[in-house]
Amino acid sequence: AQTVTQSQPEMSVQEAETVTLSCTYDTSESDYYLFWYKQPPSRQMILVIRQEAYKQQNATENRFSVNFQKAAKSFSLKISDSQLGDAAMYFCAYRRQETSGSRLTFGEGTQLTVNP
Amino acid sequence: EPEVTQTPSHQVTQMGQEVILRCVPISNHLYFYWYRQILGQKVEFLVSFYNNEISEKSEIFDDQFSVERPDGSNFTLKIRSTKLEDSAMYFCASSFNRGGYSNQPQHFGDGTRLSIL
Repeated sequence: AQTVTQSQPEMSVQEAETVTLSCTYDTSESDYYLFWYKQPPSRQMILVIRQEAYKQQNATENRFSVNFQKAAKSFSLKISDSQLGDAAMYFCAYRRQETSGSRLTFGEGTQLTVNP
Repeated sequence: EPEVTQTPSHQVTQMGQEVILRCVPISNHLYFYWYRQILGQKVEFLVSFYNNEISEKSEIFDDQFSVERPDGSNFTLKIRSTKLEDSAMYFCASSFNRGGYSNQPQHFGDGTRLSIL
């Protein structure tokens, strides 16, 4: 079974600074997808960024980027120019690659605080 | 932008009662999911649904739970004889995932907070 681990329960960053959230995963498969979801205090789950394992290029979405290290099974999220609205719980998630829908396996989450 | 909608936002139920949580997935999506998140814990997969049948379920999804797509728009999760430990946030999600589009992400609703008394 696949597992996802986020070793940082809490992180904090100063507004406008950069922060990196860590995620590692365990799988025996070679093709899969990785995601970062954001959960603000309102509790909704918002997709931040995704990465296909077959792509060597790291995904970027505006101020959000990932460092995907397939051999190390590591998938970290970098938030640049942090804003107060970035404060939330961040979940790393894994999904098998297949044409049918398959479950997301989530990590424990990292609570990010942004200090003004 | 289309979104997944869930009702109610908060449901309070007495232990032992049945509860139905409702979801309207994004209209052109084909796969539907339920997840739950017990307060302070990670999000856990419950079940996925495709073509009017369950495609995958977790060990959590036992005989107490059932899912249904009663019409062309709604997707429901029924919990029979609720227990205190069923108290959690329940998220519905949907994805497109048709043919080669297996990289489509799951889009989540805002969740239903279920409180069992």
